[in-house]
Amino acid sequence: EVQLLESGGGLVQPGGSLKLSCAASGLTFDNYVMSWLRQAPGKGLEWVSAISGTGGATYYADSVRGRFTISRDNSNNLLYLQMNTLRAEDTALYYCAKVPPEARFAFYFDSWGQGTLVAVSS
Amino acid sequence: DIQMTQSPSSLSASVGDRVTITCRASQNIKSYLSWYQQKPGKAPKLLIYAASSLQSGVPSRFSGSGSGTDFTLTISSLQPEDFATYSCQQSYSTPLTFGGGTKVGIK
Repeated sequence: EVQLLESGGGLVQPGGSLKLSCAASGLTFDNYVMSWLRQAPGKGLEWVSAISGTGGATYYADSVRGRFTISRDNSNNLLYLQMNTLRAEDTALYYCAKVPPEARFAFYFDSWGQGTLVAVSS
Repeated sequence: DIQMTQSPSSLSASVGDRVTITCRASQNIKSYLSWYQQKPGKAPKLLIYAASSLQSGVPSRFSGSGSGTDFTLTISSLQPEDFATYSCQQSYSTPLTFGGGTKVGIK
């Protein structure tokens, strides 16, 4: 069974930085595109970023491009999201999610973690 | 960016009812459409992918249809565990985008 466990969330001031991690188990990690999504309190889902199995290709939403960096450590089955220059509108529950192999060119998500909460406030 | 519009934003239904939720894309997305179910305090769960393919383990009362710009999620006979929020997502192009969600409540 695939398990995804996010960590690293917390309270940060506007302009600050935070690095999220997602520990994956129950899968051959480097076979899968992985992604970060978020959900602001009481709002809908928003895709944030994705990364190919090798880490050679990355994708970003316009709202985070240039501020957030996705990366992965395939040796340790870890996915990361480095978030810099955080804004109040980045406040959300951040989910790590897995893309099934058949969707590696058109991403949808068949396994999700439980999320880690990021709050940006002074 | 491709805009995804769901309707209705909420509905009330009874156990046993047939429920239909629609999702419209702002441009042709062929069949690159998925549906998710989300319960309060829980992560989303994939129900349908490629517009009409049922994810493994999902009950057959859930079905999806459509292509191009107009899509439908149907629950043939609503069960107590189906009261949740349902969201569509296009995977035709990045940025990937979601509909605003449809909350299915108890009548």
